[in-house]
Amino acid sequence: GAGVSQTPSNKVTEKGKYVELRCDPISGHTALYWYRQSLGQGPEFLIYFQGTGAADDSGLPNDRFFAVRPEGSVSTLKIQRTERGDSAVYLCASSPRGTPSYNEQFFGPGTRLTVL
Amino acid sequence: GNSVTQMEGPVTLSEEAFLTINCTYTATGYPSLFWYVQYPGEGLQLLLKATKADDKGSNKGFEATYRKETTSFHLEKGSVQVSDSAVYFCALSDPADSWGKLQFGAGTQVVVTP
Repeated sequence: GAGVSQTPSNKVTEKGKYVELRCDPISGHTALYWYRQSLGQGPEFLIYFQGTGAADDSGLPNDRFFAVRPEGSVSTLKIQRTERGDSAVYLCASSPRGTPSYNEQFFGPGTRLTVL
Repeated sequence: GNSVTQMEGPVTLSEEAFLTINCTYTATGYPSLFWYVQYPGEGLQLLLKATKADDKGSNKGFEATYRKETTSFHLEKGSVQVSDSAVYFCALSDPADSWGKLQFGAGTQVVVTP
């Protein structure tokens, strides 16, 4: 079956612009995670959705970052007033459910964001 | 807080050589431990996992044993192939965290030459 998909695969924008990154999880997966991977680093947690609600947004770096999942499926990560430091690969993962902690997360290919 | 430390790469070795990638963790409780792999041009994939002390995870010839006494989860493979060239990430999930979010190490690039 189809895996997690993310669009666009690459996004180049200018400092100060607004961007939206989309994630289509595996059908039926209620848990959805966003991570950010900077060059040479492992992914870092941003936000977790269980269904439509953001159950944990403790990883969002500041209030320029926001994410939604209005129908409990597709999620959009939104970044306002982008900065060069936001350049990274943004990863989305889904899981049949968020708990227990050993459930496998299935990752998408990521969106590479470059802020000029 | 929790953290994961893994050996720096790149690790370069010849086909059929033995591979070890060290991973140690710091956690207040007893986390679940994972190895994820990222092949060139592909997304992260779960390679193996262990959820309690002394558990051994295994897949595709790779193994890792959850060692509570040394807080380690080293990845091993007895005979690597060129197709094992990838970046390997050690990760943990804290059972005290209700949502299962993962905390990753920085990754270790492995290059296997023919």
